[in-house]
Amino acid sequence: DIQMTQSPSTLSASVGDRVTITCRASQSISSWLAWYQQKPGKAPKLLIYKASSLESGVPSRFSGSGSGTEFTLTISSLQPDDFATYYCQQYNDYPWTFGQGTKVEIK
Amino acid sequence: QVQLQESGPGLVKPSETLSLTCSVSGGSISSYYWSWIRQPPGKGLEWIGYMYYSGSTKFNPSLKSRVTISVDTSKKEFSLKLSSVTAADTAVYYCARHDAGPHYFGYWGQGILVTVSS
Repeated sequence: DIQMTQSPSTLSASVGDRVTITCRASQSISSWLAWYQQKPGKAPKLLIYKASSLESGVPSRFSGSGSGTEFTLTISSLQPDDFATYYCQQYNDYPWTFGQGTKVEIK
Repeated sequence: QVQLQESGPGLVKPSETLSLTCSVSGGSISSYYWSWIRQPPGKGLEWIGYMYYSGSTKFNPSLKSRVTISVDTSKKEFSLKLSSVTAADTAVYYCARHDAGPHYFGYWGQGILVTVSS
């Protein structure tokens, strides 16, 4: 299985901060990576697919980059609605696997 | 707007079979891949497997021997069966629809908590 490792596990930030989350794959996954946002008690929501393509309806403050084994999710100016847990997911090789999550907390 | 809704027992006894159904509304079940994903309390996400509307399937090898996924296109439903459950199978189970092939998950159900306990 391809292992996905996110860092940091927890991130404390303030409204207006620029936030970056990193996701590393145990082998190259080209650009076959998605990012999701999950709030407590809710299902994950797709933000980014194919590493850098913004899902329809997702605010432009979210962006993704990277290829191969290293990827980043950036929130350009953190908003109150963005405090949540973020997951990356690879779909280069079966089984599809997720990172362990990064919780973005209020500082 | 596509909506997915999981249903089934919230409590299953050890060694028995967990059975869940996902009902699809607001869109077609045809021409899409449909998955089950689970999340143990306080933990991360695990993909269980998918089914294409035509019936082809793919499963996570870690669960393959215990998983069955089926689809009923006439009812716009797809189902999950997980046999010989243990406490380690306690989780929130989500159904989801793939977008653009069997890749990322564009639509999710709200999830259903299934507890395995005697």
